[in-house]
Amino acid sequence: GQQLNQSPQSMFIQEGEDVSMNCTSSSIFNTWLWYKQDPGEGPVLLIALYKAGELTSNGRLTAQFGITRKDSFLNISASIPSDVGIYFCAGQLTDGGSQGNLIFGKGTKLSVKP
Amino acid sequence: NAGVTQNPKFQVLKTGQSMTLQCAQDMNHNSMYWYRQDPGMGLRLIYYSASEGTTDKGEVPNGYNVSRLNKREFSLRLESAAPSQTSVYFCASNLGEGQGTDTQYFGPGTRLTVL
Repeated sequence: GQQLNQSPQSMFIQEGEDVSMNCTSSSIFNTWLWYKQDPGEGPVLLIALYKAGELTSNGRLTAQFGITRKDSFLNISASIPSDVGIYFCAGQLTDGGSQGNLIFGKGTKLSVKP
Repeated sequence: NAGVTQNPKFQVLKTGQSMTLQCAQDMNHNSMYWYRQDPGMGLRLIYYSASEGTTDKGEVPNGYNVSRLNKREFSLRLESAAPSQTSVYFCASNLGEGQGTDTQYFGPGTRLTVL
């Protein structure tokens, strides 16, 4: 089946640092989504991208839809403790509808440096 | 709006027991989904329902059945639970009407342990 490679798998942050993570695929996607999951909760949508090259921000978060449509990255600027959690990328192969089901990356776990 | 709700939040079963996981959404969404989440595996689609009255298999359907009871409700049934089905189960929904409306919204999850 389709696969998304998400990296890094985990990272430690210090408050105030910028954070970057990305997803790549061998398939072309029409939509990229970034979700965050807190412990014991379901994933919550952070940013949705619908067009190749699109750069979208949501507060301190910025995500881009790669020009090749095979990748996307998420940046978090000036991280704060509540940024910890697991971040998932998800790609959708068609223009929408449930027939274009989401393919999820395996997640990037963000933790605070001890 | 409660969004997507799931019941129960936690469940422990013995091997061979059956149970139904409930999911409901109050956003008037057409499409609903069931995923399982295992450590290091991300989310994998079990079944989905594009609209009321239709259901289709996802990536990992074996051992599960689903029912789209009405537009609001989509249940997942384990007929004979196995330890390999120990997981966190998430229900999600979306409008399912095209680009810009395809964002999936997730419920809080059901944590299932099969002994």
